[in-house]
Amino acid sequence: KNQVEQSPQSLIILEGKNCTLQCNYTVSPFSNLRWYKQDTGRGPVSLTIMTFSENTKSNRRYTATLDADTKQSSLHITASQLSDSASYICVVSDRGSTLGRLYFGRGTQLTVWP
Amino acid sequence: EADIYQTPRYLVIGTGKKITLECSQTMGHDKMYWYQQDPGMELHLIHYSYGVNSTEKGDLSSESTVSRIRTEHFPLTLESARPSHTSQYLCASSEVAGGIGTGELFFGEGSRLTVL
Repeated sequence: KNQVEQSPQSLIILEGKNCTLQCNYTVSPFSNLRWYKQDTGRGPVSLTIMTFSENTKSNRRYTATLDADTKQSSLHITASQLSDSASYICVVSDRGSTLGRLYFGRGTQLTVWP
Repeated sequence: EADIYQTPRYLVIGTGKKITLECSQTMGHDKMYWYQQDPGMELHLIHYSYGVNSTEKGDLSSESTVSRIRTEHFPLTLESARPSHTSQYLCASSEVAGGIGTGELFFGEGSRLTVL
């Protein structure tokens, strides 16, 4: 069964600290993996996309990694800011036929305290 | 910033009422979607469209219906709302050719529906 599991479910850190969010998936065949940020009361916004051949990709203070062999991805946030408080959702796309499908994780709720 | 708009943002109605959630995008995207999101749960696809006059049901069974008469407009309708319909409804669009699993999704800000 294709699934996406995220951990931890929630996380509280102090402003300025780093943190790492995890995403494990069983989706096959794999096409790509996206991390979305969803602020409270808003729609998700894409942070980065990882394809099969990519191991690491950075976007400002966000660094995503992908290990296609172990089917794991991580999102590392450096020097956290209050505005980083949000839910971070891992979304995996498969390559099944011409339809393709998206598999969503339940998200990690990050709270950054001053 | 994505140009996709949802109205109303918040709606509280009584059981049995008919409601329509509006979604419009100005990006010219052919593919549009409706997702349902409950607290602490993953997004579930309830409807999608590949273009005008194309609508399909998603993975999660829903009593709602959708229409796609214009490219930019993808409204969702509930003929008779029930408390079990209480949820957050997110509209999205994407431009990449191919199946629903491809391309970045651009989301609206959501419509939070409460049925009493």
